[in-house]
Amino acid sequence: EAQVTQNPRYLITVTGKKLTVTCSQNMNHEYMSWYRQDPGLGLRQIYYSMNVEVTDKGDVPEGYKVSRKEKRNFPLILESPSPNQTSLYFCASSLLQGENTEAFFGQGTRLTVV
Amino acid sequence: GQSLEQPSEVTAVEGAIVQINCTYQTSGFYGLSWYQQHDGGAPTFLSYNALDGLEETGRFSSFLSRSDSYGYLLLQELQMKDSASYFCAVPWDGGYQKVTFGTGTKLQVIP
Repeated sequence: EAQVTQNPRYLITVTGKKLTVTCSQNMNHEYMSWYRQDPGLGLRQIYYSMNVEVTDKGDVPEGYKVSRKEKRNFPLILESPSPNQTSLYFCASSLLQGENTEAFFGQGTRLTVV
Repeated sequence: GQSLEQPSEVTAVEGAIVQINCTYQTSGFYGLSWYQQHDGGAPTFLSYNALDGLEETGRFSSFLSRSDSYGYLLLQELQMKDSASYFCAVPWDGGYQKVTFGTGTKLQVIP
């Protein structure tokens, strides 16, 4: 089954404690992206990757890191989480971000930073 | 920067037709996508318009007017399960690498 898998689904952590949210896709997609979703703000892009070892900033990259060492995996790293990073996070993948490109989303990770 | 405007909420009756509008301002336009998201769920792709005109997929249609920087999603024969949030989105930045989403329209279908 084609899917994007995120882990964990729920996470409560304390300020400053490094964490990683994993994302894996089994569709051999080149393009992967991370979004955060906050009430009234919709989905905002954090980082994206066009392929292995190719990553770039989206609209709200501050406080986040990513890596793309393998095509299927695109982890999101919060080196020192803060309460303003409490949010719902989605990972997505697509063949290439372009014409008629359907993005497939993971089920989301609800992060609370206290 | 990029901006997309959508109504925040729409209410419609089961069996009726509803139109959700999206106006955009982008630096370089490649196309307009629509996504559906049920409460607690992940966004799912509905449609993409790169050219002007209407694209139909079952009960859902999407329209684009590039000259007006405007598009809409049309939902026909509304069903209760269509109650969800709907987002328009545009890729931008040269090789359409970045994506900006609208803030979403929450559709409530009532009996």
